[in-house]
Amino acid sequence: GDSVTQMEGPVTLSEEAFLTINCTYTATGYPSLFWYVQYPGEGLQLLLKATKADDKGSNKGFEATYRKETTSFHLEKGSVQVSDSAVYFCALVNTGFQKLVFGTGTRLLVSP
Amino acid sequence: GAVVSQHPSWVICKSGTSVKIECRSLDFQATTMFWYRQFPKQSLMLMATSNEGSKATYEQGVEKDKFLINHASLTLSTLTVTSAHPEDSSFYICSAKEDSYEQYFGPGTRLTVT
Repeated sequence: GDSVTQMEGPVTLSEEAFLTINCTYTATGYPSLFWYVQYPGEGLQLLLKATKADDKGSNKGFEATYRKETTSFHLEKGSVQVSDSAVYFCALVNTGFQKLVFGTGTRLLVSP
Repeated sequence: GAVVSQHPSWVICKSGTSVKIECRSLDFQATTMFWYRQFPKQSLMLMATSNEGSKATYEQGVEKDKFLINHASLTLSTLTVTSAHPEDSSFYICSAKEDSYEQYFGPGTRLTVT
């Protein structure tokens, strides 16, 4: 079945450092890919998405490119802030299906 | 944008009692709603999928009689945890979608059973 693999956390960075959180997927067909962010005690918020190969999703300085050849959707940000501290989930949904398949989440901790 | 609310945001109940959690889509009609459970520092576990007017489809291992789901209208779904026990304490999150694949998530409900 479809699956998403994320790098284990926590990822600990200093403010203004470069961030990469790796995400790879296994899926049949052509899934849509998502990054969600969860701040402490809250639900999930959609951060960005990409619906086809080579699409780049971007939002709030974060970006991720849908790489079909490597089945990856790595999340990057050039300069993280303390307020970016949260848990980040990579997810996919296959066209025609309803279920989101989540990775295990990666906790990001940014210190001043 | 699409907004999904949950009520209550947190609830404490005694062991053996039942508790109902509401999930509402505020500005769109949700043909499908999903209920997830999240344990501390873990990913979301899909519990069930509900379509308006029909019975929910539960994931393997989820007790139907314990977690009652009702999707009575296009804007409201409820999850009732019956005869709750401390092991049911968790963070419950709902999501909703219209016809497209994109799900919109509620803020979650923290349930503590004492």
